[in-house]
Amino acid sequence: AQSVTQPDIHITVSEGASLELRCNYSYGATPYLFWYVQSPGQGLQLLLKYFSGDTLVQGIKGFEAEFKRSQSSFNLRKPSVHWSDAAEYFCAVGALPGGTSYGKLTFGQGTILTVHP
Amino acid sequence: DAGVIQSPRHEVTEMGQEVTLRCKPISGHDYLFWYRQTMMRGLELLIYFNNNVPIDDSGMPEDRFSAKMPNASFSTLKIQPSEPRDSAVYFCASSHRQGTDTQYFGPGTRLTVL
Repeated sequence: AQSVTQPDIHITVSEGASLELRCNYSYGATPYLFWYVQSPGQGLQLLLKYFSGDTLVQGIKGFEAEFKRSQSSFNLRKPSVHWSDAAEYFCAVGALPGGTSYGKLTFGQGTILTVHP
Repeated sequence: DAGVIQSPRHEVTEMGQEVTLRCKPISGHDYLFWYRQTMMRGLELLIYFNNNVPIDDSGMPEDRFSAKMPNASFSTLKIQPSEPRDSAVYFCASSHRQGTDTQYFGPGTRLTVL
């Protein structure tokens, strides 16, 4: 079964500092990978996704993520954090076509980001 | 497009009552997903539909939970009878294609069962 681990429950950074949120997945092959962001009281919004090809993926709001097959990781990064980035971030894995789980997303537990001025 | 619409945004009910949550997906999307979010269990997929047909309901916790999609623009998630442990935020999401396509989430319904 596919699974996602986000090791950091809560991260605090200063505005303008760089950010890296960790995500590790467990899956039998290279899955589809996603990062979503959830602001308080809101639904989830897609930041970026990876299916194949270039392992460095660019997303919205200046975020990027790098897929590392050898480490089963898909870490999210941003070079300079803004106060408006404070939110909860979810990594998710989706199964490949052909399996019974195709179409399902399995989410990590989330990482809460606090930004200090 | 207005995005995925859910109603009500907040629901407070008493144990034993029937609760119905509603969702209107984005027009043209043929997949619809129902999720539940709690502190303890995180975000869980309950059920999803393709072209109004339920494809996988293995995440539905109990027979007290049921979901329907009578047409392409409307879905309901019903809990009968409700219990305090059903308190959670319930999200509806829709996508054009499953797998690789982006799931667009609604704002959620915060359910509190007293």
